[in-house]
Amino acid sequence: DTAVSQTPKYLVTQMGNDKSIKCEQNLGHDTMYWYKQDSKKFLKIMFSYNNKELIINETVPNRFSPKSPDKAHLNLHINSLELGDSAVYFCASSQTSAGEQFFGPGTRLTVL
Amino acid sequence: AQTVTQSQPEMSVQEAETVTLSCTYDTSESDYYLFWYKQPPSRQMILVIRQEAYKQQNATENRFSVNFQKAAKSFSLKISDSQLGDAAMYFCAYRSVSAGGSYIPTFGRGTSLIVHP
Repeated sequence: DTAVSQTPKYLVTQMGNDKSIKCEQNLGHDTMYWYKQDSKKFLKIMFSYNNKELIINETVPNRFSPKSPDKAHLNLHINSLELGDSAVYFCASSQTSAGEQFFGPGTRLTVL
Repeated sequence: AQTVTQSQPEMSVQEAETVTLSCTYDTSESDYYLFWYKQPPSRQMILVIRQEAYKQQNATENRFSVNFQKAAKSFSLKISDSQLGDAAMYFCAYRSVSAGGSYIPTFGRGTSLIVHP
């Protein structure tokens, strides 16, 4: 069973569209995260979220919003997609906010 | 704020030989975790090894071991008997464990490891 899963694995879309990437973890973890990995492989945290606290990296545009229907899911919604949003997006989870992180397989987003 | 530096953008090694990837970090905290992650072409981020700063003994996982020098703030990864499957991007990461610190890991920019047959 996959511990942290993301869908879709690949997403190609036009500039200006709105899209969502889904993340699910079956580890019973309390905290989930979204990372962005750019073309130079730099990994940057976007959000850290548990049922008590959302921590937003202040450099993330407000076009990006995390949505958590329940503890096992943290979806990433992106409005008005821009060319610069093209990247690989990773979801991760940890038992607690201080725990070891487990990563999903990543979603490669391409904005045309 | 903590920073993590990987000064080697790319490293090469012959199959079956040993290679060391360097990582240095900057922190004012006394207790923290350090990690090495492997990212093969499949993109999956895989935890290779973890070191707790309060432990003096260097962590080891099969062919992977670290040289943790706390005073020097250095955390290098040694891969012994390199295999073709070790070819990947390797990321060093730091994470605080103190309540006043950020639990979100800080990642280095990565080292691309090439393994030659």
